[in-house]
Amino acid sequence: DAAVTQKPRYLIKMKGQEAEMKCIPEKGHTAVFWYQQKQSKELKFLIYFQNQQPLDQIDMVKERFSAVCPSSSLCSLGIRTCEAEDSALYLCSSSQSANTEVFFGKGTRLTVV
Amino acid sequence: GDKVKQSPSALSLQEGTNSALRCNFSIAATTVQWFLQNPRGSLINLFYLVPGTKENGRLKSAFDSKESYSTLHIRDAQLEDSGTYFCAAESQGGSAKLIFGEGTKLTVSS
Repeated sequence: DAAVTQKPRYLIKMKGQEAEMKCIPEKGHTAVFWYQQKQSKELKFLIYFQNQQPLDQIDMVKERFSAVCPSSSLCSLGIRTCEAEDSALYLCSSSQSANTEVFFGKGTRLTVV
Repeated sequence: GDKVKQSPSALSLQEGTNSALRCNFSIAATTVQWFLQNPRGSLINLFYLVPGTKENGRLKSAFDSKESYSTLHIRDAQLEDSGTYFCAAESQGGSAKLIFGEGTKLTVSS
């Protein structure tokens, strides 16, 4: 199994609260991606970091999320004000570089009540 | 989504039988990955493909970039093959992100 670690595994927040989830990419990987999955449907791309710099992100992330990779061994994804529609499985993945095989962590399951 | 269409959306197999899953792309896919998601949500890597074919045990996958499709063949299905299979593609000219299909939910029964 690839060693992408995500914490916490489960997160429960009330509407309006802030949420934060962390990801430790596989050692030596320079590309980090975050995806959102609702109800076991397709994974929706959120943001992509290369060498800790955000290179691509969707509008929702720009508007409501905060995502950083302060070091090559730690990234975080935050939601400033949780909404019910944010309830989902958040999956972090990493790859050695762009355009190479991607490996996923086990995800953080966020429930907003 | 529409850029990566998977079929079928659901599939039931008897143990020991064979089947194939398919992804059609409306984007210029450069690489394809196939994953199996287990009930707990973990995504297991099955194949990473540039155009061509790969085989691993009872699984075989092909990616044809000119015809814009990829297939995953399962031979001698086992109970532990149950789960949701996702294909995902990188798009030429896009960032390195993967574009996912909606998945095929496979149930293998005895």
